[in-house]
Amino acid sequence: AQTVTQSQPEMSVQEAETVTLSCTYDTSESDYYLFWYKQPPSRQMILVIRQEAYKQQNATENRFSVNFQKAAKSFSLKISDSQLGDAAMYFCAGAYSGGGADGLTFGKGTHLIIQP
Amino acid sequence: DTGVSQNPRHKITKRGQNVTFRCDPISEHNRLYWYRQTLGQGPEFLTYFQNEAQLEKSRLLSDRFSAERPKGSFSTLEIQRTEQGDSAMYLCASSTRQGEAFFGQGTRLTVV
Repeated sequence: AQTVTQSQPEMSVQEAETVTLSCTYDTSESDYYLFWYKQPPSRQMILVIRQEAYKQQNATENRFSVNFQKAAKSFSLKISDSQLGDAAMYFCAGAYSGGGADGLTFGKGTHLIIQP
Repeated sequence: DTGVSQNPRHKITKRGQNVTFRCDPISEHNRLYWYRQTLGQGPEFLTYFQNEAQLEKSRLLSDRFSAERPKGSFSTLEIQRTEQGDSAMYLCASSTRQGEAFFGQGTRLTVV
């Protein structure tokens, strides 16, 4: 079983600045995936970035990058050059990669506010 | 639109009534998931299908909840004898590989 913890209910950042959202997790599995999802006010969840636990290299997608610290079980999301369209709820999530039928385990989310 | 489609988008029902939601996944996706999301929380996994087989249903919230995926295409989630605590957003997601999920816009259920 996995647990995912997001300790920042809300974060605020000035447009064009950089912000980091925190996430810690716990799992007894050795193979797993970690994700950041974005949920704008329209409510459709959108995948932002994905990290396989066996990969040491941190994933990057354009302005979004992660800092994956496997030993510390930490998975933070960095958003560079923040844009107004980045305003949303951000959820950290994990999934066991052993081929079983487990779905994603989500944290409670961080509400990101972008100040113009 | 080739994304995950959920209907209806909103449902208001009286306590004790049965409701059914439909999910049409992305056409080539063999994996289908249902989640429930309550206000201020992340989605909570309910059940999983691979093609037409329901491989995980122990996380359904009670025996009032059931899901089907006939022929491995669309899926339905039914809640019988609804209670006020069932009020939530019900999300469907589909994918071709473990862990990754493409979500629909959800069905918001209000039980009055």
